[in-house]
Parts: sequence; C-alpha cells; structure tokens
Amino acid sequence: DSGVTQTPKHLITATGQRVTLRCSPRSGDLSVYWYQQSLDQGLQFLIQYYNGEERAKGNILERFSAQQFPDLHSELNLSSLELGDSALYFCASSASPGPATDTQYFGPGTRLTVL
Amino acid sequence: GENVEQHPSTLSVQEGDSAVIKCTYSDSASNYFPWYKQELGKRPQLIIDIRSNVGEKKDQRIAVTLNKTAKHFSLHITETQPEDSAVYFCAASYGQNFVFGPGTRLSVLP
Repeated sequence: DSGVTQTPKHLITATGQRVTLRCSPRSGDLSVYWYQQSLDQGLQFLIQYYNGEERAKGNILERFSAQQFPDLHSELNLSSLELGDSALYFCASSASPGPATDTQYFGPGTRLTVL
Repeated sequence: GENVEQHPSTLSVQEGDSAVIKCTYSDSASNYFPWYKQELGKRPQLIIDIRSNVGEKKDQRIAVTLNKTAKHFSLHITETQPEDSAVYFCAASYGQNFVFGPGTRLSVLP
C-alpha cells in the first residue's frame, strides 16, 4: 500500500457524461500528479498540482480539468466523455514540487469505462 | 521535449536467467531515472531509481546503470523468478514531472 488513495475503483458511464475522480495523497505529500493509461499503453502525464496550485500540464484535453483542495486531495473532472476516454486513471503523489527528483507513489487507479 | 525509448517491448526468459531492459532519453537536463513495475491491473510500483550523480545502483537482484554521456540507462534483474513477470516502465525526469517509456512486458517461464 503506497498510502495514496483513489475513488472510485471502477466507473462505468455513457458517452457525453461527466465524471469526477478523486485522489488523496500520502500524508505529508504536497504534489499530486494525474496520469492516463489506456489499454496496453504507457503512462501519459496529464497534470500536476502542488499545494493547491497547478504546476505542470501535459497532454490533458480541454474537456478534462483538475483541482487540488486545501486539504490536498485532488479531483480530476472528465466531461463530454468519449469512448476513447476509457482507461485507467492514476494519481501519484510526492513531497516536492519538482524538479522531478522526488519519488512518486501511485494510487491504485480508477478504471473508467465509457459505453 | 523529452523522449524516452525503451527496448525490448516484450522479453521472455527462463526462470533463473537474467533480464536486461534498456532505455534512452533525449534531454540532457534529465537527472532522475526511476523504474516501475506494474502487474496486471495494479498500480505502478517503484522498484529502483538512480540519480545522475551515480553510475550504478543495486538492490538485491535488481540493478540499474546509467550512462549520462550516451543518455541511456538499463535495468538488470538477476536470478529471475515467476513473480518478476510484469510490465516494467522506465522514466526520466523532465522539468516538473516524468516522461515514461512505453514499457517492457517481461515473462519469466518456469
């Protein structure tokens, strides 16, 4: 157990819908990273927050947004869902804001299925 | 931007043999290189990492080597066991985050 929690574990929804994925970082970690992993694909970095502020952006679609709250948990919002958004979504946390010399610990992931 | 290549994409070895996975990166500013193991449907788990001021690091059956000049780093697993079967990802630091390699699916045959 990495100490990073994610809810829900599974999510099944329809095209055009909106969902929210939640992540709580390890105790003491201020950075949260979101990744998308499609079937048999690598990990694509989406976005990073540090202590409530957006820190870095990767290949995140405009239909996706995220935020980090004062208690440091983070939410990833996915809207106007398409079939291709079906994937495993991981969050990871680390202590530092970067540069990335700090170990990232991954949560168990949320499996999103869009029908 | 940073580009990380990883080879081979699949690797099958007999139990007890060694396995080697190689990665190359493009950004000379990268200075931290973790390796993650991901079992089917589970989270990536850090197994070893190396920083740019070190050429080699070992942890029991796992070792990582780094050649900064050539911009490549490798994962070595000795005395492989069936439980080593998984997908292995290398990563290189890039600015605030990581760029991951595409992964290597390792199968250890009993």
